Amino acid sequence: SQQGEEDPQALSIQEGENATMNCSYKTSINNLQWYRQNSGRGLVHLILIRSNEREKHSGRLRVTLDTSKKSSSLLITASRAADTASYFCATPQTGANNLFFGTGTRLTVIP
Amino acid sequence: DTEVTQTPKHLVMGMTNKKSLKCEQHMGHRAMYWYKQKAKKPPELMFVYSYEKLSINESVPSRFSPECPNSSLLNLHLHALQPEDSALYLCASSQDSAQRPWDTEAFFGQGTRLTVV
Repeated sequence: SQQGEEDPQALSIQEGENATMNCSYKTSINNLQWYRQNSGRGLVHLILIRSNEREKHSGRLRVTLDTSKKSSSLLITASRAADTASYFCATPQTGANNLFFGTGTRLTVIP
Repeated sequence: DTEVTQTPKHLVMGMTNKKSLKCEQHMGHRAMYWYKQKAKKPPELMFVYSYEKLSINESVPSRFSPECPNSSLLNLHLHALQPEDSALYLCASSQDSAQRPWDTEAFFGQGTRLTVV
């Protein structure tokens, strides 16, 4: 399976703290993506990092990619209560139109 | 317009009913997807359409029947479902990855919450 594994499964932090989530995947990729899902709703794309990139920033988000270890991390800085959601990494299979999701991290930011 | 619209938002159906879920996008995307998501689990890929042709069917039971009438629309026909099929059904679309393998960001609809009774 292309599906990735994420850790931790759940993370609870105080508002203002940083949150780090990790993703490991199994096969070669063209890119890795991170998505956010508020409870029971659709997924929202956060950031895409290509296989030839090592780090990418978007606002309070920082993503790293280590293709040698087949792993990625998502850092959310200065967290807010509104960041409470589930976060998934996703990897498309090379040369195919599909997108497989990791197991997800449920983040709770306590005001 | 960067929206994927799914209807209905909620659906309750009996095990003998026939119903359809609908999905629409106007971003010119040529890849469209159906995902199933159970509570506290990641989305699971069910079907992928590329250029209106079914390209991936992840061993989904025949009681789920996808249809892509044109490049903007995707349907999922449901018949004789089981209670365990109750889930959030998500539609998504993206650029065709064969043309743009580096940039396959997917846009998701808000989902249809399906309950089978």
